[in-house]
Amino acid sequence: GAGVSQSPRYKVAKRGQDVALRCDPISGHVSLFWYQQALGQGPEFLTYFQNEAQLDKSGLPSDRFFAERPEGSVSTLKIQRTQQEDSAVYLCASSPRPGQGNSPLHFGNGTRLTVT
Amino acid sequence: QKEVEQNSGPLSVPEGAIASLNCTYSDQGSQSFFWYRQYSGKSPELIMFIYSNGDKEDGRFTAQLNKASQYVSLLIRDSQPSDSATYLCAVNMGNDQFYFGTGTSLTVIP
Repeated sequence: GAGVSQSPRYKVAKRGQDVALRCDPISGHVSLFWYQQALGQGPEFLTYFQNEAQLDKSGLPSDRFFAERPEGSVSTLKIQRTQQEDSAVYLCASSPRPGQGNSPLHFGNGTRLTVT
Repeated sequence: QKEVEQNSGPLSVPEGAIASLNCTYSDQGSQSFFWYRQYSGKSPELIMFIYSNGDKEDGRFTAQLNKASQYVSLLIRDSQPSDSATYLCAVNMGNDQFYFGTGTSLTVIP
């Protein structure tokens, strides 16, 4: 069965470039999350969608970060004018049932972003 | 103050021993608790979740939850070298907001 798919797996960007990271969740999953994971750290919450609605974007570190999920399926995380501190693994996760705390997250393989 | 705290380790146990991983959380309203395993360079994979006080067993893994003391633990019996990974504790407040600890690195020595 298809899991959460993320692309690209690796991205190298020069400082100042814009990047777009894609997430294709498990079919039918209502909830979609973006996390940022620095080396040796746990995943840090960035933003959360329920269908196409972005319900929480409190974790986005700056206004250079923008996420969308226009049709309630595929999501894109965009980072404008990348900085070296943006280098991390960006994880996407989906969950089938919103509002129920015992519904686990299913993670994609992540996109490793390196800003040079 | 971070919502979820874990000892970063590294924790080393000999093959066949019991590995004990602990996690504490700050929000008394937390409702469900998850353990994920993450191999180096890979994404987190769910091991088990628990939302009622007490123990929950699944094969060699046992999750223990004590809401009064605000801690959750994971026991791995008969540890194998393939269990060597980072173990992430995640807490859900019931609002679809998951908070992760920094993870505990486990090494099982053959």
